[in-house]
Amino acid sequence: NAGVTQTPKFQVLKTGQSMTLQCAQDMNHNSMYWYRQDPGMGLRLIYYSASEGTTDKGEVPNGYNVSRLNKREFSLRLESAAPSQTSVYFCASSERQDTYNSPLHFGNGTRLTVT
Amino acid sequence: DQQVKQNSPSLSVQEGRISILNCDYTNSMFDYFLWYKKYPAEGPTFLISISSIKDKNEDGRFTVFLNKSAKHLSLHIVPSQPGDSAVYFCAASGDNKYIFGTGTRLKVLA
Repeated sequence: NAGVTQTPKFQVLKTGQSMTLQCAQDMNHNSMYWYRQDPGMGLRLIYYSASEGTTDKGEVPNGYNVSRLNKREFSLRLESAAPSQTSVYFCASSERQDTYNSPLHFGNGTRLTVT
Repeated sequence: DQQVKQNSPSLSVQEGRISILNCDYTNSMFDYFLWYKKYPAEGPTFLISISSIKDKNEDGRFTVFLNKSAKHLSLHIVPSQPGDSAVYFCAASGDNKYIFGTGTRLKVLA
């Protein structure tokens, strides 16, 4: 039982390049989330998908797009990377669409550097 | 505007003593609160949670207290162990979203 799997673990991009961060969960969870972690800023929500077929913006969505490909997979795309997007990205999932009494389960992160 | 705040970036505690980590929130619509622990190069792992209808929840060495009128929660770790050294995040949930604080780095000294 792998839980939440993120690929790649590390990535270096040049400014203006694009890439997609992949996330898959095998817990049959309904909701999935993308966060970024920056020093002194904690974990900030980029986008989330409360259920298959829906996506919504979080606190810091600018410069990103997401796709909920199916119940298992939720990808994050950077169309034109900027140095401000250098960060550690975490994908997470929760069992229910309703966040009440439903903790998040996180992957191990993707460390992205944009030069 | 930060909805969930952890005002202490770091905390050092002697092994065997109590660690108290604090968290404040502003949105009264939050109805579920969580604590996560994070080691370097790993994802955050769920530690303990509390719903808004309770004021205390215990799990072994970990206890979370919620004061709704003050919009404040705290995590107590007793006794603290060196393996507890990590960054601790509090989070609040509501409206399909989980909002996290900035984290407190706990160092337990042997």
